[in-house]
Amino acid sequence: EPEVTQTPSHQVTQMGQEVILRCVPISNHLYFYWYRQILGQKVEFLVSFYNNEISEKSEIFDDQFSVERPDGSNFTLKIRSTKLEDSAMYFCASKTAGNTEAFFGQGTRLTVV
Amino acid sequence: GENVEQHPSTLSVQEGDSAVIKCTYSDSASNYFPWYKQELGKRPQLIIDIRSNVGEKKDQRIAVTLNKTAKHFSLHITETQPEDSAVYFCAASRPTGRRALTFGSGTRLQVQP
Repeated sequence: EPEVTQTPSHQVTQMGQEVILRCVPISNHLYFYWYRQILGQKVEFLVSFYNNEISEKSEIFDDQFSVERPDGSNFTLKIRSTKLEDSAMYFCASKTAGNTEAFFGQGTRLTVV
Repeated sequence: GENVEQHPSTLSVQEGDSAVIKCTYSDSASNYFPWYKQELGKRPQLIIDIRSNVGEKKDQRIAVTLNKTAKHFSLHITETQPEDSAVYFCAASRPTGRRALTFGSGTRLQVQP
């Protein structure tokens, strides 16, 4: 069964450093998302991406964040200068079209120290 | 934007009992309501979803009901088993495929053997 894959599974970084979280969505999917989940809290939307551009972003997704689909298969989330409060589990998700199921990756646990 | 409220935050039942989790949403344009199950440290996985053109959907021991007028929807799990223990999230999204999911705050279900 196809699945969304994310790398790395866990990343530890120093405050102020840049991180790139990587995702490979399911191949025939058209819509891509990043969500985050702070430990013990709900899943929060960050950004959606369709047709090679951002469709929607939340107030969390400020200038420190960017997304890219560099080669037609990978979908990346970059945090330019990490803060302690960026520590969370980051989930990538993708779906085909319309109101269909969003498939989540297994997540990248980001720890900022 | 959409706001999804979920209750209760924790729920403990005896094996074999039923469990009910309730969610309300604020955006009357939302028309897709999935439920995700998240086991500790794992990705959210869709267990059932409902669209606004139906009032109820059932899949074995799991059912979801939707009241569009009142803007609430509920998850019903019958004959609960210990493996049902997890955090359950409701979510809502608007019609266009690009729209992201807005999640509720989650319900930690504990099924006591």
